[in-house]
Amino acid sequence: DTGVSQNPRHKITKRGQNVTFRCDPISEHNRLYWYRQTLGQGPEFLTYFQNEAQLEKSRLLSDRFSAERPKGSFSTLEIQRTEQGDSAMYLCASSLAIRWNEQFFGPGTRLTVL
Amino acid sequence: EDQVTQSPEALRLQEGESSSLNCSYTVSGLRGLFWYRQDPGKGPEFLFTLYSAGEEKEKERLKATLTKKESFLHITAPKPEDSATYLCAVQAEGGSEKLVFGKGTKLTVNP
Repeated sequence: DTGVSQNPRHKITKRGQNVTFRCDPISEHNRLYWYRQTLGQGPEFLTYFQNEAQLEKSRLLSDRFSAERPKGSFSTLEIQRTEQGDSAMYLCASSLAIRWNEQFFGPGTRLTVL
Repeated sequence: EDQVTQSPEALRLQEGESSSLNCSYTVSGLRGLFWYRQDPGKGPEFLFTLYSAGEEKEKERLKATLTKKESFLHITAPKPEDSATYLCAVQAEGGSEKLVFGKGTKLTVNP
Protein backbone atom coordinates (compact mmCIF):
# COMPACT_ATOMS: atom_id res chain seq x y z
CA ASP A 1 0.00 0.00 0.00
CA THR A 2 1.59 3.29 -1.10
CA GLY A 3 -0.95 5.65 0.47
CA VAL A 4 -0.78 7.74 3.63
CA SER A 5 -0.85 5.58 6.75
CA GLN A 6 -1.79 6.55 10.30
CA ASN A 7 -1.39 4.74 13.59
CA PRO A 8 -3.14 3.89 15.74
CA ARG A 9 -6.49 3.84 13.98
CA HIS A 10 -8.37 4.16 17.24
CA LYS A 11 -7.33 5.50 20.63
CA ILE A 12 -9.38 5.63 23.83
CA THR A 13 -7.89 7.57 26.70
CA LYS A 14 -8.91 9.13 29.97
CA ARG A 15 -9.09 12.87 30.44
CA GLY A 16 -5.74 14.28 31.47
CA GLN A 17 -3.63 11.64 29.74
CA ASN A 18 -1.17 12.36 26.93
CA VAL A 19 -1.58 10.73 23.53
CA THR A 20 0.64 10.57 20.44
CA PHE A 21 -0.36 9.76 16.87
CA ARG A 22 1.88 8.88 13.95
CA CYS A 23 1.52 9.66 10.26
CA ASP A 24 3.58 8.16 7.44
CA PRO A 25 3.09 10.14 4.22
CA ILE A 26 3.37 8.91 0.65
CA SER A 27 7.10 8.29 0.28
CA GLU A 28 8.11 11.05 -2.12
CA HIS A 29 5.81 13.71 -0.66
CA ASN A 30 7.63 16.57 1.06
CA ARG A 31 4.54 18.27 2.50
CA LEU A 32 2.56 16.87 5.39
CA TYR A 33 -0.64 18.29 6.90
CA TRP A 34 -2.68 17.60 10.04
CA TYR A 35 -6.43 18.19 10.21
CA ARG A 36 -9.09 17.47 12.84
CA GLN A 37 -12.64 16.39 12.02
CA THR A 38 -15.56 16.16 14.42
CA LEU A 39 -18.85 14.41 13.68
CA GLY A 40 -20.92 16.17 11.03
CA GLN A 41 -18.20 18.71 10.26
CA GLY A 42 -15.59 19.05 7.56
CA PRO A 43 -11.89 18.71 8.40
CA GLU A 44 -10.26 21.71 10.14
CA PHE A 45 -6.64 22.56 9.41
CA LEU A 46 -4.20 22.27 12.30
CA THR A 47 -0.68 22.55 10.90
CA TYR A 48 1.61 21.68 7.99
CA PHE A 49 5.25 20.83 7.36
CA GLN A 50 7.45 21.16 4.35
CA ASN A 51 10.22 18.65 4.88
CA GLU A 52 11.08 19.00 8.59
CA ALA A 53 10.02 22.65 8.90
CA GLN A 54 6.67 23.47 10.47
CA LEU A 55 5.55 26.37 8.27
CA GLU A 56 1.98 27.07 9.39
CA LYS A 57 -0.05 26.54 12.55
CA SER A 58 -3.75 27.19 13.09
CA ARG A 59 -5.10 29.11 16.06
CA LEU A 60 -6.91 25.83 16.83
CA LEU A 61 -3.55 24.33 17.77
CA SER A 62 -3.42 25.18 21.47
CA ASP A 63 -0.25 24.86 23.51
CA ARG A 64 -1.37 21.36 24.53
CA PHE A 65 -0.82 20.24 20.94
CA SER A 66 2.59 19.72 19.41
CA ALA A 67 3.59 18.27 16.06
CA GLU A 68 6.97 17.19 14.81
CA ARG A 69 8.50 15.86 11.61
CA PRO A 70 12.11 15.35 12.70
CA LYS A 71 13.61 13.85 9.55
CA GLY A 72 11.17 15.14 7.01
CA SER A 73 9.49 11.76 6.67
CA PHE A 74 6.93 10.59 9.27
CA SER A 75 5.24 13.00 11.65
CA THR A 76 3.85 12.76 15.17
CA LEU A 77 1.04 14.76 16.76
CA GLU A 78 0.99 14.82 20.56
CA ILE A 79 -1.86 16.04 22.71
CA GLN A 80 -1.02 16.69 26.35
CA ARG A 81 -3.55 16.70 29.18
CA THR A 82 -6.39 15.55 26.92
CA GLU A 83 -9.86 17.02 27.35
CA GLN A 84 -13.21 15.61 26.26
CA GLY A 85 -13.39 18.29 23.59
CA ASP A 86 -10.32 16.75 21.94
CA SER A 87 -12.40 13.74 20.89
CA ALA A 88 -12.31 13.76 17.09
CA MET A 89 -10.84 12.11 14.01
CA TYR A 90 -7.28 13.31 13.42
CA LEU A 91 -6.43 13.23 9.73
CA CYS A 92 -3.05 13.43 8.09
CA ALA A 93 -2.51 14.38 4.45
CA SER A 94 0.52 14.68 2.22
CA SER A 95 1.44 16.27 -1.08
CA LEU A 96 4.34 17.32 -3.23
CA ALA A 97 5.17 21.01 -2.95
CA ILE A 98 5.04 21.29 -6.73
CA ARG A 99 1.62 19.59 -6.71
CA TRP A 100 0.15 21.57 -3.82
CA ASN A 101 -3.29 21.18 -5.37
CA GLU A 102 -3.56 17.48 -4.52
CA GLN A 103 -3.54 16.65 -0.83
CA PHE A 104 -3.95 12.92 -0.24
CA PHE A 105 -5.48 11.93 3.09
CA GLY A 106 -4.84 8.97 5.33
CA PRO A 107 -7.55 6.93 7.07
CA GLY A 108 -7.33 8.97 10.27
CA THR A 109 -6.94 8.22 13.97
CA ARG A 110 -10.16 8.34 15.95
CA LEU A 111 -9.57 9.68 19.47
CA THR A 112 -12.10 9.20 22.25
CA VAL A 113 -11.43 10.99 25.54
CA LEU A 114 -13.46 9.61 28.45
CA GLU B 1 -12.65 34.99 6.95
CA ASP B 2 -12.82 32.30 4.27
CA GLN B 3 -16.05 30.34 4.38
CA VAL B 4 -17.62 27.37 2.58
CA THR B 5 -21.31 26.45 2.74
CA GLN B 6 -22.61 23.24 1.19
CA SER B 7 -26.19 22.36 0.37
CA PRO B 8 -28.19 20.31 0.81
CA GLU B 9 -26.88 18.70 4.01
CA ALA B 10 -28.27 15.37 2.85
CA LEU B 11 -29.64 14.11 -0.46
CA ARG B 12 -31.37 10.84 -1.20
CA LEU B 13 -31.61 9.72 -4.84
CA GLN B 14 -32.85 6.70 -6.70
CA GLU B 15 -30.32 4.91 -8.86
CA GLY B 16 -30.15 6.70 -12.20
CA GLU B 17 -31.69 9.94 -10.87
CA SER B 18 -29.26 12.76 -11.72
CA SER B 19 -28.80 15.75 -9.41
CA SER B 20 -26.38 18.46 -8.29
CA LEU B 21 -24.66 19.40 -5.04
CA ASN B 22 -23.90 23.04 -4.28
CA CYS B 23 -20.84 24.66 -2.69
CA SER B 24 -20.97 28.41 -2.02
CA TYR B 25 -17.78 30.08 -0.96
CA THR B 26 -16.34 33.39 0.15
CA VAL B 27 -12.61 33.81 -0.04
CA SER B 28 -10.31 36.80 -0.32
CA GLY B 29 -8.76 35.43 -3.49
CA LEU B 30 -9.30 31.91 -4.78
CA ARG B 31 -6.22 29.80 -5.36
CA GLY B 32 -8.18 26.58 -5.79
CA LEU B 33 -11.51 24.90 -5.05
CA PHE B 34 -11.41 21.21 -4.18
CA TRP B 35 -13.93 18.39 -4.14
CA TYR B 36 -13.38 15.30 -2.00
CA ARG B 37 -15.41 12.18 -1.38
CA GLN B 38 -15.47 10.66 2.13
CA ASP B 39 -16.79 7.22 3.03
CA PRO B 40 -17.79 6.51 6.66
CA GLY B 41 -14.77 6.01 8.94
CA LYS B 42 -12.28 6.86 6.19
CA GLY B 43 -10.21 9.84 5.15
CA PRO B 44 -11.33 12.12 2.30
CA GLU B 45 -10.51 10.95 -1.23
CA PHE B 46 -9.38 13.64 -3.68
CA LEU B 47 -11.66 14.16 -6.71
CA PHE B 48 -11.03 17.52 -8.43
CA THR B 49 -9.32 20.89 -8.21
CA LEU B 50 -10.83 23.89 -10.02
CA TYR B 51 -8.99 27.17 -10.36
CA SER B 52 -11.04 29.76 -12.23
CA ALA B 53 -14.63 30.62 -13.12
CA GLY B 54 -15.90 28.70 -16.11
CA GLU B 55 -13.68 25.70 -15.52
CA GLU B 56 -15.18 22.19 -15.61
CA LYS B 57 -13.75 18.79 -14.76
CA GLU B 58 -15.21 15.31 -15.17
CA LYS B 59 -14.56 11.91 -13.69
CA GLU B 60 -16.85 9.02 -14.51
CA ARG B 61 -20.37 10.09 -13.41
CA LEU B 62 -19.15 13.26 -11.69
CA LYS B 63 -18.72 16.71 -13.21
CA ALA B 64 -17.57 19.76 -11.26
CA THR B 65 -18.13 23.34 -12.38
CA LEU B 66 -17.01 26.66 -10.94
CA THR B 67 -18.34 30.22 -10.91
CA LYS B 68 -17.05 33.23 -9.00
CA LYS B 69 -19.28 32.46 -6.02
CA GLU B 70 -20.06 28.75 -6.13
CA SER B 71 -19.26 25.33 -7.44
CA PHE B 72 -21.57 22.50 -8.44
CA LEU B 73 -20.92 18.80 -8.40
CA HIS B 74 -23.23 17.18 -10.93
CA ILE B 75 -23.90 13.47 -10.56
CA THR B 76 -25.23 11.80 -13.70
CA ALA B 77 -27.13 8.51 -13.42
CA PRO B 78 -25.75 7.73 -9.95
CA LYS B 79 -25.20 4.21 -8.67
CA PRO B 80 -25.40 2.96 -5.06
CA GLU B 81 -21.60 2.96 -4.87
CA ASP B 82 -21.66 6.74 -5.28
CA SER B 83 -23.19 6.97 -1.79
CA ALA B 84 -20.77 8.99 0.37
CA THR B 85 -20.27 12.43 1.88
CA TYR B 86 -18.98 14.94 -0.65
CA LEU B 87 -16.78 17.68 0.77
CA CYS B 88 -15.93 21.01 -0.84
CA ALA B 89 -12.90 23.05 0.23
CA VAL B 90 -11.17 26.27 -0.81
CA GLN B 91 -7.61 27.46 -0.60
CA ALA B 92 -6.96 31.17 -0.60
CA GLU B 93 -4.23 33.13 -2.29
CA GLY B 94 -1.69 34.75 -0.01
CA GLY B 95 0.59 31.98 1.13
CA SER B 96 -1.55 29.85 3.46
CA GLU B 97 -1.61 26.19 2.50
CA LYS B 98 -4.67 25.31 4.55
CA LEU B 99 -7.84 23.99 3.00
CA VAL B 100 -11.08 25.42 4.43
CA PHE B 101 -13.78 22.76 4.22
CA GLY B 102 -17.55 22.88 4.23
CA LYS B 103 -19.60 20.46 6.31
CA GLY B 104 -20.31 18.24 3.34
CA THR B 105 -23.36 16.77 1.61
CA LYS B 106 -24.28 13.22 2.54
CA LEU B 107 -25.47 11.47 -0.61
CA THR B 108 -27.45 8.24 -0.48
CA VAL B 109 -28.28 6.43 -3.72
CA ASN B 110 -30.91 3.73 -3.38
CA PRO B 111 -30.99 0.78 -5.79
